[in-house]
Amino acid sequence: SQQGEEDPQALSIQEGENATMNCSYKTSINNLQWYRQNSGRGLVHLILIRSNEREKHSGRLRVTLDTSKKSSSLLITASRAADTASYFCATDGNNDMRFGAGTRLTVKP
Amino acid sequence: AAGVIQSPRHLIKEKRETATLKCYPIPRHDTVYWYQQGPGQDPQFLISFYEKMQSDKGSIPDRFSAQQFSDYHSELNMSSLELGDSALYFCASSRGQGSQPQHFGDGTRLSIL
Repeated sequence: SQQGEEDPQALSIQEGENATMNCSYKTSINNLQWYRQNSGRGLVHLILIRSNEREKHSGRLRVTLDTSKKSSSLLITASRAADTASYFCATDGNNDMRFGAGTRLTVKP
Repeated sequence: AAGVIQSPRHLIKEKRETATLKCYPIPRHDTVYWYQQGPGQDPQFLISFYEKMQSDKGSIPDRFSAQQFSDYHSELNMSSLELGDSALYFCASSRGQGSQPQHFGDGTRLSIL
């Protein structure tokens, strides 16, 4: 099975700053997805980027994908305290997804 | 909008007991996924179903089984529970398989005493 691995494991920033999280994976993918999870809650889908895409935007989120390096990054601009959560990348298998270990983002007001 | 419903939200069992977790997907979603998430861990894929048939299998122990019913709800049956089974169990649903966003429920927190 393939699995995304995020870095950093934890990130602490001030409100208004940008946050960048990286994800690396091991094998070929069809797409890569980013999810967020508030403590003890279910994961919420943020954005999906297909293997033939290099960059995608959604509001304050920007995702890049470099299939040659098998890596992706999630940029959150103008962060808010409400962005505090864990962020996971997930790579697709055939009919399932494999999640990485996640980045714990703390945005201080 | 309707979301994925999981029940119960919390469950306390003792070792060697059995447990059944239920998942009700978003209407018109035909695919259900089960994940296990230990404290501070990433979600681990257990098993998935598409149109009531098992579609993929992950790290699901032999002590666990699951099925998807005609109304698309799914149940995860867990037997001979062990302390290490204590975790959050998430169900997710999607319309179709493959490269589809998954919609997660809020999970069932299972505690084994």
